[in-house]
Order: sequence, then structure tokens, then C-alpha cells
Amino acid sequence: DTGVSQNPRHKITKRGQNVTFRCDPISEHNRLYWYRQTLGQGPEFLTYFQNEAQLEKSRLLSDRFSAERPKGSFSTLEIQRTEQGDSAMYLCASSRERGSGNTIYFGEGSWLTVV
Amino acid sequence: DQQVKQNSPSLSVQEGRISILNCDYTNSMFDYFLWYKKYPAEGPTFLISISSIKDKNEDGRFTVFLNKSAKHLSLHIVPSQPGDSAVYFCAASHLNTGNQFYFGTGTSLTVIP
Repeated sequence: DTGVSQNPRHKITKRGQNVTFRCDPISEHNRLYWYRQTLGQGPEFLTYFQNEAQLEKSRLLSDRFSAERPKGSFSTLEIQRTEQGDSAMYLCASSRERGSGNTIYFGEGSWLTVV
Repeated sequence: DQQVKQNSPSLSVQEGRISILNCDYTNSMFDYFLWYKKYPAEGPTFLISISSIKDKNEDGRFTVFLNKSAKHLSLHIVPSQPGDSAVYFCAASHLNTGNQFYFGTGTSLTVIP
């Protein structure tokens, strides 16, 4: 399977706990994105990496959220002191350099439920 | 600020007929548009895209039409099959945003056998 891989697929956590999600992009893709999706909404942009550099962050990415891509390969998204409003599906996507249309390909997503 | 809008939350179509899903956008700078299909509890799957230099792109049963003057795009599925039942999202991007893709809220398509 050479698609975008995310884990864990599901996470239930108590409010106030920290959670971390991992994303492994398609191997030849140097761009990596994190999106969040809640019920009835489309995916909302959180942040974007080109190789190891985090180049864009959304206003949705509060200071409790941090994303890293230390070696330009896999990425982690950590949410500290989780709140019930953080319950959502967290989607990772990757793409090549723009020029091929920059189509982004999503992983299966990581469901977070904060209780 | 919803820059990409899908005004029909749901659509039902008989198997074998045409499904037409619509999408409107407000930002005239968008130059690349995509359609994704999503099943419950899964990530969106890329279907088809179109650049703003074209007004039509076809891939098998799927055709996307772009009307730049109306800031409107549509996805046609012919013939519709029960396996097409899913939520469809349109998305848009442009060079000046760098790398943000703006998504609509989705249209749930049900193809009735």
C-alpha cells in the first residue's frame, strides 16, 4: 500500500489529556497537509509542510496544537489539554510539487473523541 | 467565510441515470478545482480535477465542467451506480494561497437501485 497512512485510526481520550497522531505520506511527495473535518462540514485546513518546513498555519491551529515533520518524511500532530471541541476527524494529505496540478491525496483519517 | 459552497446537502438519483452535483465559489483567483468522494469513517478519495484554463475534463463516467464567468463547477456522473453513493466534496485552490485547499460542505449522493 503506497497511499497516505495515518494512525491511530481512532482515539478516545479524556478531556485534558494529550494526544498525538502520526501521518506517513506517499513516499515521493514532499508536501504534507493536516486538515480537520467535523460532521456536516468539509475538511478545514490546519497546516502545511514542504519537506521539513512548516510553511502555513491556519487560525484554527491554536497554541494547544503542534505539528512537526522532523526529517521531511512522516509528520505528527499533537493536541495538548484536549477539549471536547477538538473531537473531529483529523486528515493528513500529501502532494508533489505544484506543476502537476498539486492534487492532494488524503489518508484514512484519525477519529478523535474527547469525553 | 465559505469561499466554496455546495448548496445541495443531498441528492437522490435512480441507478443508470445522470447525477449532477454542483459547486459555487466566490474567489475569482481560484485556478484549480477538484472533486473528492468520501465514504463514512474514511478519508476523501480524489476523483477528478480541472484547471481554470479548461472548461471540461472527463474521466470515464465522471465529467467536471467549469464555468469561470459564473464561478460554478459541476460534476456529472453517467451512468450512476449504487457504489457511487457517498458524500462528494468540491475543493478549490490558487497559486496565491500557496497551498490551502478550500472545501465545500459536501453533497450526499444516494443512487437508488
